[in-house]
Amino acid sequence: DIQMTQSPSTLSASVGDRVTITCRASQTINSWLAWYQHKPGKAPNLLIYKASTLGSGVPSRFSGSGSGTEFTLTINNLQPDDFATYFCHHYDSYPYTFGQGTKLEIK
Amino acid sequence: QVQLQESGPGLLKPSETLSLTCTVSGGSISPYYWNWVRQPPGKRLEWIGSMYYSGNTYYNPSLESRVAMSVDTSKNQFSLTLASVSASDTAVYYCTRRSGHPDYWGLGTLVTVSS
Repeated sequence: DIQMTQSPSTLSASVGDRVTITCRASQTINSWLAWYQHKPGKAPNLLIYKASTLGSGVPSRFSGSGSGTEFTLTINNLQPDDFATYFCHHYDSYPYTFGQGTKLEIK
Repeated sequence: QVQLQESGPGLLKPSETLSLTCTVSGGSISPYYWNWVRQPPGKRLEWIGSMYYSGNTYYNPSLESRVAMSVDTSKNQFSLTLASVSASDTAVYYCTRRSGHPDYWGLGTLVTVSS
């Protein structure tokens, strides 16, 4: 199985900050990576797919980059609504796997 | 807007069979892949399996001996069965859609296995 290592596990930041979350794959997944935002009691929301393509309706302050084994999610100008859990998900080959998640907290 | 809703019993006893259904609204079952994913308490998400609308299935090798998925295009539903459950199968279970890339998820349903 391809292992996804996501860091950090927790991130404290303030409104207006820029933050970066990283996912590393144990072997190449080309660009078959998605990022999601998840809030308690809600369905995970697709932010980025194919490593860098913005999902429908997702604000442009979210961006993704990377290919191969190293990927990043960047959130510019953090807004109060952005404090949530974020996770990465590879869909290169079966079995799909996920990062362990990053909880973004208000500092 | 596509919406997915999981349904099924929330409490099972060890050795019983888990059966969940995902109802798709706002869109069609075809021509997509449909997935089940779960998250045990305090652990990362785990992919259970995928099913193409036509019936082809792909299961996680770690669960393959106990898992089955099916689709009912007439009801716009797809289902999961997991046999011989134990406490380690306690998790929030999600159904998801993949259209080239994984996009829509359900809210998830908590399944607890306890005697």
